[in-house]
Amino acid sequence: QQPVQSPQAVILREGEDAVINCSSSKALYSVHWYRQKHGEAPVFLMILLKGGEQKGHEKISASFNEKKQQSSLYLTASQLSYSGTYFCGTGHAGGTSYGKLTFGQGTILTVHP
Amino acid sequence: ETGVTQSPTHLIKTRGQQVTLRCSSQSGHNTVSWYQQALGQGPQFIFQYYREEENGRGNFPPRFSGLQFPNYSSELNVNALELDDSALYLCASSWRATGGTQYFGPGTRLTVL
Repeated sequence: QQPVQSPQAVILREGEDAVINCSSSKALYSVHWYRQKHGEAPVFLMILLKGGEQKGHEKISASFNEKKQQSSLYLTASQLSYSGTYFCGTGHAGGTSYGKLTFGQGTILTVHP
Repeated sequence: ETGVTQSPTHLIKTRGQQVTLRCSSQSGHNTVSWYQQALGQGPQFIFQYYREEENGRGNFPPRFSGLQFPNYSSELNVNALELDDSALYLCASSWRATGGTQYFGPGTRLTVL
């Protein structure tokens, strides 16, 4: 089952913060976050594994709540370059499910000057 | 270190035809996953190849088939093309099949007329 992302879209001014949520109905083994700009391939942002720590670099960080089967991506002090569609991809335990990423429908983030 | 490459970039076919798409994995990676991304949607998992063997398959019919070669490059073959097959086809390589970070190539845009 496809994870659910919220919100579907968000509009920011430069310097503002945003949170994107990803919720799964199945137990999670891993959560992978990507950003995709129009006409381009998804670019890897970070991966969170079950039992791992919160990840982050510079102004983008993410958390993984195993009990709630949720992950959140935090964008702080947004820049124009953050604009794009953000996808979470979830991996689940069991056989070949580890490597099969199931992606959410995406969250469109637009940053204005 | 070279990234993931795909060929061709764009392809136009007619219904009923067959198509082969190619992917070269990133140096050091032994796993290739294929995804189909329809316009405005998240990528959908087609299948994964690990060390030349299929290692998991999504909900796609048998006319979608693949191969992985000893150098870990991969092919996606689609027979009897249908209009709904029009999409961006992405391959992603990783250094392991279980929970590894998947790095996407630029994709092949397939249009079926």
